[in-house]
Amino acid sequence: DVKVTQSSRYLVKRTGEKVFLECVQDMDHENMFWYRQDPGLGLRLIYFSYDVKMKEKGDIPEGYSVSREKKERFSLILESASTNQTSMYLCASSSIQRPTGNTIYFGEGSWLTVV
Amino acid sequence: GEDVEQSLFLSVREGDSSVINCTYTDSSSTYLYWYKQEPGAGLQLLTYIFSNMDMKQDQRLTVLLNKKDKHLSLRIADTQTGDSAIYFCAEATGFQKLVFGTGTRLLVSP
Repeated sequence: DVKVTQSSRYLVKRTGEKVFLECVQDMDHENMFWYRQDPGLGLRLIYFSYDVKMKEKGDIPEGYSVSREKKERFSLILESASTNQTSMYLCASSSIQRPTGNTIYFGEGSWLTVV
Repeated sequence: GEDVEQSLFLSVREGDSSVINCTYTDSSSTYLYWYKQEPGAGLQLLTYIFSNMDMKQDQRLTVLLNKKDKHLSLRIADTQTGDSAIYFCAEATGFQKLVFGTGTRLLVSP
């Protein structure tokens, strides 16, 4: 089974802190994504990566950056956390090689509270 | 632009069928998905449908796709209390980026 692991389930950080959210997948997937989930807004794409060292902005990249130094790992970075970044963050990965359809797998989510 | 809409809430009785509806706007979407999210958990893929299909059935789940109206629905037969969750529809765009609806909270009462 595909496994997407987010290292931290619950974090509490102070305003202005630098925050790292880590995501690792074990299925050699090319694509990795970071989404943010807020009530009433659904999930919104922050950044995605389709290859090592490649990154593309999603719909809401402001205040975030990402790093993909290895194929299996995709990190989301909040350079200076703010209270409006309190949210649930979901990582996902997918392969373009699957013959039966494009299937995207999600991690369990990281709940970030910025105080 | 891409936009996916869902009603926010649905309440049914145990044993009834549930139908969750979704409309999307990007006619170039190749795949459309239904995800389930239980409280405090991540997203669980329920099913997906390729855009050249009209219907897909998987046990208690039936997905209907009307491309002309850009309408997607998920029918859950014999709904159980364990089906209570938030259900998201999503369309896949380039590089498999997903555009999600706001989610429909399904409440199943005994």
